[in-house]
Amino acid sequence: ETAVFQTPNYHVTQVGNEVSFNCKQTLGHDTMYWYKQDSKKLLKIMFSYNNKQLIVNETVPRRFSPQSSDKAHLNLRIKSVEPEDSAVYLCASSLTGGSDYTFGSGTRLLVI
Amino acid sequence: QQKVQQSPESLTVSEGAMASLNCTFSDGTSNNFRWYRQHSAKGLEVLVSIFSDGEKEEGRFTAHLNRANLHVSLHIREPQPSDSAVYLCAVSASSGSWQLIFGSGTQLTVMP
Repeated sequence: ETAVFQTPNYHVTQVGNEVSFNCKQTLGHDTMYWYKQDSKKLLKIMFSYNNKQLIVNETVPRRFSPQSSDKAHLNLRIKSVEPEDSAVYLCASSLTGGSDYTFGSGTRLLVI
Repeated sequence: QQKVQQSPESLTVSEGAMASLNCTFSDGTSNNFRWYRQHSAKGLEVLVSIFSDGEKEEGRFTAHLNRANLHVSLHIREPQPSDSAVYLCAVSASSGSWQLIFGSGTQLTVMP
């Protein structure tokens, strides 16, 4: 099956902990992204990564960092989570130029 | 910076009646427009991708793009209760950008 796979589906953690979410795509795409979806369903781009070029949305706090081992993987690490980080994090991939844009099913984070 | 707004916030239609959703954007140089559907606690399902002015049909879903008017719409023919979901409009951040800017969504409810 070719798709964008995210793990875990759901994660609960306490304020101050570090978390890491995994994303893998088997579509042969060369660009990957992380989006954050808040409680009002609003989606905002956090990072895009292509050919080792990382583009960061300037509003993303520094405790967030993407990690890539190859073009099929883009993980998301959050150092010292805060309550406002509770959201759904969606990973996506595409071909260069944005065609065939495909989303994973998301990781829901709850910070208590 | 690209801004995307959707209307209405919520829409209720009867099964079989046409449903029409609207999306306006601020930067008419964008060339990548998509409509997604998101069922509760699920990932994003792409419905229609459109890259030039005019009409694009995918099954019961038709998108109309008019970049001069900064407007893209989605029409759902013969909606069914299973079409009840949040519909999200996404526009590329600028011409050639890989990043998508999302509207805040329209909650569609289809009554049997």
